[in-house]
Amino acid sequence: QSALTQPPSASGSPGQSVTISCTGTSSDIGAYNFVSWYQQHPGKAPKLLLYEVTERPSGVPDRFSGSKSVNTASLTVSGLQAEDEADYFCSSYADSNIVLFGGGTKLTVL
Amino acid sequence: EAQLLESGGGLVEAGGSLTLSCAVSGFTRRYAMAWVRQAPGKGLEWVSSISSSGDSTHYADSVKGRCTMSRDKSRDTLYLQFNSLTADDTAIYYCAKFSRWFSSPFDSWGQGTLVTVSS
Repeated sequence: QSALTQPPSASGSPGQSVTISCTGTSSDIGAYNFVSWYQQHPGKAPKLLLYEVTERPSGVPDRFSGSKSVNTASLTVSGLQAEDEADYFCSSYADSNIVLFGGGTKLTVL
Repeated sequence: EAQLLESGGGLVEAGGSLTLSCAVSGFTRRYAMAWVRQAPGKGLEWVSSISSSGDSTHYADSVKGRCTMSRDKSRDTLYLQFNSLTADDTAIYYCAKFSRWFSSPFDSWGQGTLVTVSS
């Protein structure tokens, strides 16, 4: 049960786009399209941002998009806004009903 | 709207035991649920999951054998019984709802309850 790998930090200026990667293995990200992304502001509970790689829950802006290639999933935030500054975590379903999370990426809006 | 309210956190000595609770409301049906923890300044870590019926449970290797997740269907309450606690178990423990089954995302989260294990 190894954690997924994310870069610890990412940054961009308002209006720019930023992509955060999440690398797993052939037993988790590579095996299933059950990849989710969560946004967490300081002192708050995580909030679901994307699920099943590309799907957005109701209310999530279309500035947030997802993709996957082999064992790596990615979250792209387009048109960066100040309120996007937060921690972002990826998650994947894995064999035997296990859930894996990434270590998290702190996104800074410059 | 789904509401999850955790309780039971606090300060406990290493080697001790603790039971966390999560009161669930606002659902028209039962869902699979989970506990997810976050050590101070660290990332999220899945701890355990339980099916909607309570018949099936799954645990992370880091807690297997030391904790038991259960649910009281009559009270719509989840529990996480923890023993042999160590400093590594210090974290905010969140109760989270799967949108459907174990492979689905967590679409609702509680505000968390802090567990501090003193060594």
